[in-house]
Amino acid sequence: ILNVEQSPQSLHVQEGDSTNFTCSFPSSNFYALHWYRWETAKSPEALFVMTLNGDEKKKGRISATLNTKEGYSYLYIKGSQPEDSATYLCAFAGTASKLTFGTGTRLQVTL
Amino acid sequence: DAGVIQSPRHEVTEMGQEVTLRCKPISGHNSLFWYRQTMMRGLELLIYFNNNVPIDDSGMPEDRFSAKMPNASFSTLKIQPSEPRDSAVYFCASRPGQGGSEGETQYFGPGTRLLVL
Repeated sequence: ILNVEQSPQSLHVQEGDSTNFTCSFPSSNFYALHWYRWETAKSPEALFVMTLNGDEKKKGRISATLNTKEGYSYLYIKGSQPEDSATYLCAFAGTASKLTFGTGTRLQVTL
Repeated sequence: DAGVIQSPRHEVTEMGQEVTLRCKPISGHNSLFWYRQTMMRGLELLIYFNNNVPIDDSGMPEDRFSAKMPNASFSTLKIQPSEPRDSAVYFCASRPGQGGSEGETQYFGPGTRLLVL
């Protein structure tokens, strides 16, 4: 059983704060690491796919880094806004050709 | 593009009844995935297909669950007989490539919220 862990489980920040969360995954048999954003009552929406050690991806105020040697990825949100409130999921893709999801970090941004 | 389409969006049924969930993947996508989301276990993969062929069904909970993909544009997930512990949100997702496409994004449907009484 693959272990994909995310921390913290939940996070409550104020508008304008910057924040980050962690995804840890197996460092062997690595193919890709995916980040998804999941708003309540909607479906998960892809943010990033990262495949190379040292990858950094950015989309607006959201960015992510990848360390495959030690098995972790960070997701950063700069200047959080209420619309960033969602659950952020990471998913590990190994040799099994399928994704194993973490349990997510639930972010709540208040005014 | 309409995205991944799932039906029904909500289903309420009684224990023992048969439930059929439907999914239409994005046109041209070769891989299709069925997931179940619960509070206890998060998002877990039930089964996935490449080119309509089931590749890995190790996540299917038990024999009461079955999935088919008769053609590239349609898949079903059936639960017979249903039990209260099957209550969850069931998501379908599709991906453009086949095996070895771990770097490709999966596109999720809106989900079917199932409640078994």
